[in-house]
Amino acid sequence: SQQGEEDPQALSIQEGENATMNCSYKTSINNLQWYRQNSGRGLVHLILIRSNEREKHSGRLRVTLDTSKKSSSLLITASRAADTASYFCATDAQGNKLVFGAGTILRVKS
Amino acid sequence: DAMVIQNPRYQVTQFGKPVTLSCSQTLNHNVMYWYQQKSSQAPKLLFHYYDKDFNNEADTPDNFQSRRPNTSFCFLDIRSPGLGDAAMYLCATSRPTAGRERETQYFGPGTRLLVL
Repeated sequence: SQQGEEDPQALSIQEGENATMNCSYKTSINNLQWYRQNSGRGLVHLILIRSNEREKHSGRLRVTLDTSKKSSSLLITASRAADTASYFCATDAQGNKLVFGAGTILRVKS
Repeated sequence: DAMVIQNPRYQVTQFGKPVTLSCSQTLNHNVMYWYQQKSSQAPKLLFHYYDKDFNNEADTPDNFQSRRPNTSFCFLDIRSPGLGDAAMYLCATSRPTAGRERETQYFGPGTRLLVL
């Protein structure tokens, strides 16, 4: 069964605006990761936040984690056309496995 | 640059005709994964190798097999492709002993399979 659920399913914004995507999950986790996928390509790791962390930054990315609500958000500030992609959250299942959410399709219009 | 390579990028096969997809890595990672991703869906793990140990997901059809002859290479064999197997197949690697990066997975560009 799918661990992560994301919303919105699709998001369309103007260049320069901020984009926020949300992810909810069902079971306890050790960490949560966000990946980006450009159309027809593989996934690229963006950022990892551990269960004992509440917020993490990387460049224009800001990730929050609320383990009490079993949710995370990814904020992309000052978006660019090159940020157009699908964004997936992933949680660690048993062993070395990740379970991916359904993803948010982000379109940044220039 | 160290990377995960998948060949071919596009593969066309016929219904029922066996097909093999390839993945190689220069990262020297000991875990390799195969995912299936259908249009607008999340990647779905099929199986993974931890070193030589094969770990199959419970819901992976028997039609899908994998081989890992050495650390660098991993193959996905589809014995009798059906129309429903048309998808993007993604290979990924990780190195669970690599400190703070141990949980990160590194993906190849994928092979898009078309079944006629």
